[in-house]
Amino acid sequence: GAGVSQSPSNKVTEKGKDVELRCDPISGHTALYWYRQSLGQGLEFLIYFQGNSAPDKSGLPSDRFSAERTGGSVSTLTIQRTQQEDSAVYLCASSLGGTGRGYTFGSGTRLTVV
Amino acid sequence: AQKVTQAQTEISVVEKEDVTLDCVYETRDTTYYLFWYKQPPSGELVFLIRRNSFDEQNEISGRYSWNFQKSTSSFNFTITASQVVDSAVYFCALSLSSGYSTLTFGKGTMLLVSP
Repeated sequence: GAGVSQSPSNKVTEKGKDVELRCDPISGHTALYWYRQSLGQGLEFLIYFQGNSAPDKSGLPSDRFSAERTGGSVSTLTIQRTQQEDSAVYLCASSLGGTGRGYTFGSGTRLTVV
Repeated sequence: AQKVTQAQTEISVVEKEDVTLDCVYETRDTTYYLFWYKQPPSGELVFLIRRNSFDEQNEISGRYSWNFQKSTSSFNFTITASQVVDSAVYFCALSLSSGYSTLTFGKGTMLLVSP
């Protein structure tokens, strides 16, 4: 597509429920990233996929968080047993790969855990 | 580890004023990239500029200009003759050139431009 598409744009869930956030990167972009933007905390790296390489999961805050990327394209970020501190905007970005190339970000999914 | 500091949490100016957003970074690597992104109220991060560590030339793009100084580890961003549409959160970020290229972001500076 023309840009990075994320869905849903907003999600309200009850504490303890599982949620899935979807990211559809720009066609042909080999690298895909997930970041989390919490109020007053800036953006923090969560996970990175590059081609067929094993993903870098070093930024995932707990084992309740997982992500997969199917067919080198669409990615799903799953949060199990959501907690209130998971409330944030989850941003996905893609790039052509290679260091320093510009990222294109999606508009994010605003997750609210009540 | 890398670190990006944007000491200004919020800046308020009146339209047509010039404003400078500060960014200070820390890294032990000699090769790296610096970025500025704009996040308007719509939420999407908009890429503004990328600068590599070997290029200290200042850059101007319309009303925007960037001052990169390795001696002070700073990469400041100036908006000349600010406009209401410039109101947004601005993020400075750093990426290393070795290995993969995740971004380390500062906490952002919210710029409010009033008419």
